[in-house]
Amino acid sequence: AQTVTQSQPEMSVQEAETVTLSCTYDTSENNYYLFWYKQPPSRQMILVIRQEAYKQQNATENRFSVNFQKAAKSFSLKISDSQLGDTAMYFCAFYGQNFVFGPGTRLSVLP
Amino acid sequence: SQTIHQWPATLVQPVGSPLSLECTVEGTSNPNLYWYRQAAGRGLQLLFYSVGIGQISSEVPQNLSASRPQDRQFILSSKKLLLSDSGFYLCAWRGQPNQPQHFGDGTRLSIL
Repeated sequence: AQTVTQSQPEMSVQEAETVTLSCTYDTSENNYYLFWYKQPPSRQMILVIRQEAYKQQNATENRFSVNFQKAAKSFSLKISDSQLGDTAMYFCAFYGQNFVFGPGTRLSVLP
Repeated sequence: SQTIHQWPATLVQPVGSPLSLECTVEGTSNPNLYWYRQAAGRGLQLLFYSVGIGQISSEVPQNLSASRPQDRQFILSSKKLLLSDSGFYLCAWRGQPNQPQHFGDGTRLSIL
C-alpha cells in the first residue's frame, strides 16, 4: 500500500525568506503523480503544484518549486519569497492506483 | 470550466438526527467523486469514492453512507449521527487519471 509521510507537523518562516517542506512516500509503482495542496484558514483545498513521476525536470509554479528525487521517493516543496498569505496547512499527495494524502505541515509565515 | 458545489457550508445537528450533504460537479462528465473527513488540524480521511453512477466504494466502516444517483451528484448521508461524526467534510472530483483532485469548499458539521 502506498503511504505518504510529512515529517514536519509545524514550521515557521520569516516573510520574504525561503522555506522547504518535506514529503516522502512509499510505493512499488513506477508511474504515478505527486501533488502539493494548500489549505489556508478558510479551509479550501487549493492545488499548488503537480509532478509527473516520468518527468525528471522539477515542476515550478511562480514562487513554488519542488525537488523530486524519484530514487529516494522524496518530493519536497520550496516556497521562495514567503508571503503572509502562504500561511496554511500544506498536504503532499500521491496518486498511483489511489489518491493518498500526507498528514500535513502547518506553515506559519511571520511578519 | 468545471466547478464543484458543496452544501451546506455549515451545519449543526443533534445526536441521533439524520444527515444529508450534497455535492455536485458541473462542466465535466463521468468524474471520479470523493468524500473526505478532516478532523480539526488533521489530515484527510477518505470516506467514500465513486467511479460511476451507483458505484460506491467505502474506505472506512462507519454509520455514514454515500450515494451517486446521477453522474455529477454525490451525497453523503447518515440515519443517526454520532458525536464522533463532527468534522469538516470535503467533496472532491477528478477527471482524467493524471489530473489532480479538485475540492469543494467543505461543510463544517457540528454534532451537539
